[in-house]
Amino acid sequence: DAGVIQSPRHEVTEMGQEVTLRCKPISGHDYLFWYRQTMMRGLELLIYFNNNVPIDDSGMPEDRFSAKMPNASFSTLKIQPSEPRDSAVYFCASSRQTDGYQPQHFGDGTRLSIL
Amino acid sequence: QKEVEQDPGPLSVPEGAIVSLNCTYSNSAFQYFMWYRQYSRKGPELLMYTYSSGNKEDGRFTAQVDKSSKYISLFIRDSQPSDSATYLCAMESMDSSYKLIFGSGTRLLVRP
Repeated sequence: DAGVIQSPRHEVTEMGQEVTLRCKPISGHDYLFWYRQTMMRGLELLIYFNNNVPIDDSGMPEDRFSAKMPNASFSTLKIQPSEPRDSAVYFCASSRQTDGYQPQHFGDGTRLSIL
Repeated sequence: QKEVEQDPGPLSVPEGAIVSLNCTYSNSAFQYFMWYRQYSRKGPELLMYTYSSGNKEDGRFTAQVDKSSKYISLFIRDSQPSDSATYLCAMESMDSSYKLIFGSGTRLLVRP
C-alpha cells in the first residue's frame, strides 16, 4: 500500500512568495494532520482534519498559514507571504478512525527553505 | 517547562549494547505513549505504543511506562547499526484525542 505522499520534497523560495505544500493521505484514513519540525521547537502539530473538516487549528502560527482539505485524498498547507522563520520540515500524517488505537502514519516531509 | 522532556543526545553506543531512551512528562492526563523512530530525511515511523502503565515487548524493543513517576522508557537490546536514528517519544491524552505531543527526540548512533 502507498503511504502518505507529500510534494514537493524540497522547496526553496524567496521571502514574500506564496508556498503551497501538498499531501495525499493513505486511502481510507479519516484523519489528516499537518506538523512542522524545527531544531528549536521539535515536531509541532499545526492543524488536523477529520473527514475533510478542520477540527483544531490552534497550532497554526499566524494568519499567513492556511490549510484546506477539499476531498478525502488531498490537502494543502499554504503560507502567504512566506518568511525566513517559516523554514522547517513540514510533515503530513494520516490515521484511521476505529474503536481501538490507530497510529498516525507520516509522509517523508517537505523541506522548506525561505531565503 | 515543556510538557514532554527528552534528552537530545547524541547517544553513542557499540553494536550489541543495550540502549535506554527516556522521556518525562508533566501532564497526568496522558494515556497513550508512543515511540517513533526517524531516520535522516524521513518521516517518523511508529515503533511501539502503550496504553496507560506497564511494559510492552516487541522483538528487541521494550517500552515501559511509569505513570506514577511520569516517566517512560524504550529499551533496545542487541543494538544494531541500523538502529542509528532519532527516537521521538509522543503522548496523547484521552480528552484531546489525536493531538500528539512529541519530545524533542534523542539521536542514537550505534557504532559497528
